[in-house]
Amino acid sequence: EAGVAQSPRYKIIEKRQSVAFWCNPISGHATLYWYQQILGQGPKLLIQFQNNGVVDDSQLPKDRFSAERLKGVDSTLKIQPAKLEDSAVYLCASSLRGLALSQETQYFGPGTRLLVL
Amino acid sequence: GDSVTQMEGPVTLSEEAFLTINCTYTATGYPSLFWYVQYPGEGLQLLLKATKADDKGSNKGFEATYRKETTSFHLEKGSVQVSDSAVYFCALRGNTPLVFGKGTRLSVIA
Repeated sequence: EAGVAQSPRYKIIEKRQSVAFWCNPISGHATLYWYQQILGQGPKLLIQFQNNGVVDDSQLPKDRFSAERLKGVDSTLKIQPAKLEDSAVYLCASSLRGLALSQETQYFGPGTRLLVL
Repeated sequence: GDSVTQMEGPVTLSEEAFLTINCTYTATGYPSLFWYVQYPGEGLQLLLKATKADDKGSNKGFEATYRKETTSFHLEKGSVQVSDSAVYFCALRGNTPLVFGKGTRLSVIA
C-alpha cells in the first residue's frame, strides 16, 4: 500500500514570496490533515479536511495560509506572503474516517521542509 | 485544553541499555494515547497506541501502558539498539485533534 506522498521535499524562499505544498493521501482515506512542525517542537495541526470539507481550521493563520482539497483526494497548502517564522516542516497526514474516532491511526507523509530567508 | 508533557532530551544511551521516556497528559474525557517515532529524514510513524485505561501498547520491543490514575503513558524498551536512534513523540487524541508533546531525541551509541 502506497503511503502519504508530499512534494516538494525541500523549499527555500525569501520572505514575502509565496509557496505551495502538495499532498496525496493514502487511497480511500477520507480525512486529510496538515501540520506545522517548528524545529524542536511537536507537530501542530493547521487544518483538517473530511473529504472536500473543512472540519477544523482554527489554528490556520488565514491572513497568509490557505488550503484546499477540491476533489476530496489530494490537497494543496499555500503560504502568501511567507514570513521568517514560517520556516518549519509541513506534514500531511491521512486517516480512514477521522470524525469522532479518537483511536484511529493517522499516517504521515515525509514532510516538506521550508526555509524562509 | 488538552496537553502532553514529555521528558526533555536529548537522551543518550549505550546499546542494550534500558530506555524510559516519560509522558504525562492533561485531557478531559478518555483520550487515546499514542507514541510516534521520527527517524532522521523521515516522516512520523506510529509506534504504538492505547485506547483505554490499563491498555498496553507494544511494538518492536517498545511498550507503554495507559495509566489513568497517574495520567501517564511512559515509553519503555528493555534493550535499545543503535537503529532506535530517533525522535519520539507522545500524543493524545480526545475530543480535540491530535496533540503532540515536544519530542524526545534518543541517541544510542554502540
